[in-house]
Amino acid sequence: NAGVTQTPKFRVLKTGQSMTLLCAQDMNHEYMYWYRQDPGMGLRLIHYSVGEGTTAKGEVPDGYNVSRLKKQNFLLGLESAAPSQTSVYFCASSFPPTGHTGELFFGEGSRLTVL
Amino acid sequence: DAKTTQPNSMESNEEEPVHLPCNHSTISGTDYIHWYRQLPSQGPEYVIHGLTSNVNNRMASLAIAEDRKSSTLILHRATLRDAAVYYCILQYRWGKLIFGQGTELSVKP
Repeated sequence: NAGVTQTPKFRVLKTGQSMTLLCAQDMNHEYMYWYRQDPGMGLRLIHYSVGEGTTAKGEVPDGYNVSRLKKQNFLLGLESAAPSQTSVYFCASSFPPTGHTGELFFGEGSRLTVL
Repeated sequence: DAKTTQPNSMESNEEEPVHLPCNHSTISGTDYIHWYRQLPSQGPEYVIHGLTSNVNNRMASLAIAEDRKSSTLILHRATLRDAAVYYCILQYRWGKLIFGQGTELSVKP
């Protein structure tokens, strides 16, 4: 069982370039999330989705876009990368909390550096 | 959004119990209290959660104050593998988790 898989695991971009991070989960979870983590800090929620075809903004959504065209995939896009977006990005998924623990399952992270 | 407050760091000795405190004075009646931990260079992993009553599982125990304004994560016998950052988080009704700074736990042999 793969769980939550993030692609790519490492990427270096130049300022202004675009890229997409892919998150895939094989647990049939409804909810998916994208977080970022900067050195010495906790995770901050970027965007989330409560079901296929739906997305919503989290704490720090500016500069990012997301799409949830398939239930198992959640894509995070950077249209014009900035050095401030250098971070480790974590994807997570969960069942809805009603009737479940609401436990989030996290991927291993994607380290992005913007020069 | 309701916030949590945790000490930045704590130390423990191996095989001794550890009590990790968390304050959440603005918690609402429907917020669940979750604890996650993050080992170095890994994504966070679920530890335990509760609403009003104390909870036990194979990893830890969660003690929730009667007024729900604070909680304590209890590791009964710390091991070196328990060295991690522990996050106390409030989960809103529909599932969103907002992480705080967490407590960095170091375990001495």
